[in-house]
Amino acid sequence: AQKVTQAQTEISVVEKEDVTLDCVYETRDTTYYLFWYKQPPSGELVFLIRRNSFDEQNEISGRYSWNFQKSTSSFNFTITASQVVDSAVYFCALSEANTGFQKLVFGTGTRLLVSP
Amino acid sequence: EPEVTQTPSHQVTQMGQEVILRCVPISNHLYFYWYRQILGQKVEFLVSFYNNEISEKSEIFDDQFSVERPDGSNFTLKIRSTKLEDSAMYFCASRPEGGYTFGSGTRLTVV
Repeated sequence: AQKVTQAQTEISVVEKEDVTLDCVYETRDTTYYLFWYKQPPSGELVFLIRRNSFDEQNEISGRYSWNFQKSTSSFNFTITASQVVDSAVYFCALSEANTGFQKLVFGTGTRLLVSP
Repeated sequence: EPEVTQTPSHQVTQMGQEVILRCVPISNHLYFYWYRQILGQKVEFLVSFYNNEISEKSEIFDDQFSVERPDGSNFTLKIRSTKLEDSAMYFCASRPEGGYTFGSGTRLTVV
């Protein structure tokens, strides 16, 4: 069964601090995708990254970076030098090949509050 | 950049009424989805649609729900007789073979 756990319900930081959002997943499949989405207060889901299970290279995009470790089934997301505009709920999600990638299973989300 | 468009952005309906939520997926995408997010909770899968038929559905997607792609561009979610617990944000998504693109959602409020 597929499951995504985001143990951090809410994180509060002050602007310019670095922050890491944790994501741990469970799957029996060897082929899967992992995702991060941002949900700002306006409510839409903004795609941040997709990673396939065969690519464990870490990725950096501006102030964002992702650390994928299959050994610990984790796909953590770090924001460097956080800004107030980063305040949002962040969701990690998983999609498996054995479902034909037909659905995303989301974690419960981590609410990030960045104060000035 | 191509977008998934959802209308209306907010709909208020009385309990027991039928509602239709509309989505225009990205034109060359093959797979279409509806997800639901009850306020303050996680996003939950409802149904996937491919080649003009449902390919998978969740336990939430009971007989009160139906989906249609009536004209090759629109993708609709119908709730036949709304209940208070259907109040949620409903997201449409589409994808080619890879990543999902979500619409901005329809907030459904059942009173």
